[in-house]
Amino acid sequence: AQSVSQHNHHVILSEAASLELGCNYSYGGTVNLFWYVQYPGQHLQLLLKYFSGDPLVKGIKGFEAEFIKSKFSFNLRKPSVQWSDTAEYFCAVKSAFGNEKLTFGTGTRLTIIP
Amino acid sequence: GAGVSQSPSNKVTEKGKDVELRCDPISGHTALYWYRQSLGQGLEFLIYFQGNSAPDKSGLPSDRFSAERTGGSVSTLTIQRTQQEDSAVYLCASSSRTASSYNEQFFGPGTRLTVL
Repeated sequence: AQSVSQHNHHVILSEAASLELGCNYSYGGTVNLFWYVQYPGQHLQLLLKYFSGDPLVKGIKGFEAEFIKSKFSFNLRKPSVQWSDTAEYFCAVKSAFGNEKLTFGTGTRLTIIP
Repeated sequence: GAGVSQSPSNKVTEKGKDVELRCDPISGHTALYWYRQSLGQGLEFLIYFQGNSAPDKSGLPSDRFSAERTGGSVSTLTIQRTQQEDSAVYLCASSSRTASSYNEQFFGPGTRLTVL
């Protein structure tokens, strides 16, 4: 069975700090990987995704993530955070073939202090 | 519509009552998914429908939960004899299909269910 671990439950940073949120997954086959974001009072929206090719993927709002297959990781990064990045971030994985259901991590709450 | 819509946005019910939650996917999306977001639990897959194939019900937590999708569009998630542990936000998502696989899932705003 697939599983996703997000070890940082709550991260507090000051504006302009650099961000890295960890995501590790457990699955024996080929995967597709996602980061979703949920801003306060809003619904989940896709931040970025990895399907194949370049393991460094860039998403919206200056976010990027790197797929490291040997480490089963897909960490999310942003060089300089803004107050508007305050949100909850979810990493998700699905099998690249056949089963389309997403397995999510428990989420990381990010608080940016102005 | 422009996105996935869900109704009601909030539902408060008494323990033991049945509830129905509705999802309208993005027009043309052939796949529809239900997830549950419980406090401190993250998002948990419940069920998904893809085209005319039999749904994947592997995530439904008990036989009190069921879902149907009529006409390949609107879906209804039904919870019978609700329990307090059913309190959660129920999210619906939909996706389209390309030649080889499905694209990203677009999520609705969710229905917050509170069982008293």
